[in-house]
Amino acid sequence: EPEVTQTPSHQVTQMGQEVILRCVPISNHLYFYWYRQILGQKVEFLVSFYNNEISEKSEIFDDQFSVERPDGSNFTLKIRSTKLEDSAMYFCASGDSTDTQYFGPGTRLTVL
Amino acid sequence: GESVGLHLPTLSVQEGDNSIINCAYSNSASDYFIWYKQESGKGPQFIIDIRSNMDKRQGQRVTVLLNKTVKHLSLQIAATQPGDSAVYFCAETQYGQNFVFGPGTRLSVLP
Repeated sequence: EPEVTQTPSHQVTQMGQEVILRCVPISNHLYFYWYRQILGQKVEFLVSFYNNEISEKSEIFDDQFSVERPDGSNFTLKIRSTKLEDSAMYFCASGDSTDTQYFGPGTRLTVL
Repeated sequence: GESVGLHLPTLSVQEGDNSIINCAYSNSASDYFIWYKQESGKGPQFIIDIRSNMDKRQGQRVTVLLNKTVKHLSLQIAATQPGDSAVYFCAETQYGQNFVFGPGTRLSVLP
């Protein structure tokens, strides 16, 4: 069964450093998403991406964040200058419609 | 002090009993609702969905009820099994956008 994969599973970085979180969505999906979940809290929407552009973004997704689909398979989330409060699980999701989303296993980001 | 959100509501049920997990949603214009299951260390997993033009939908061992009058969703799990132990949360969306997730309920299945 196809699944969304994410790398790395755990990323540790120093405050102020740039990080790139990588996702490989399910191959025939057209809609891509990033979410984050701070430990013990609810899942929060960051951004959705369709047709090579951002279709929606939340207030969390400020100028420090960017997304890219550099080729036909990867979907990346970049945080330019990480802050302590960026520490969270980051989930990528993909779907073949705007309804259904399949989530990846997540990347745990720890900012020191 | 404690951070808000670290203590999820917990529902403990005996194995074999039925479970009912509730969710209040916020946007009366939301037209699509999803229940997710999240096991420890894993990403959310789709369980069942319902559109706003329905008030009940059944899957395998799961039923979702929607009450638009009071903006309330419930997830019923029949014959709860140990593998059902997880955090369950609802999500709402309007026209495939504005996805908002609920805080979640931890389901603990007792042997």
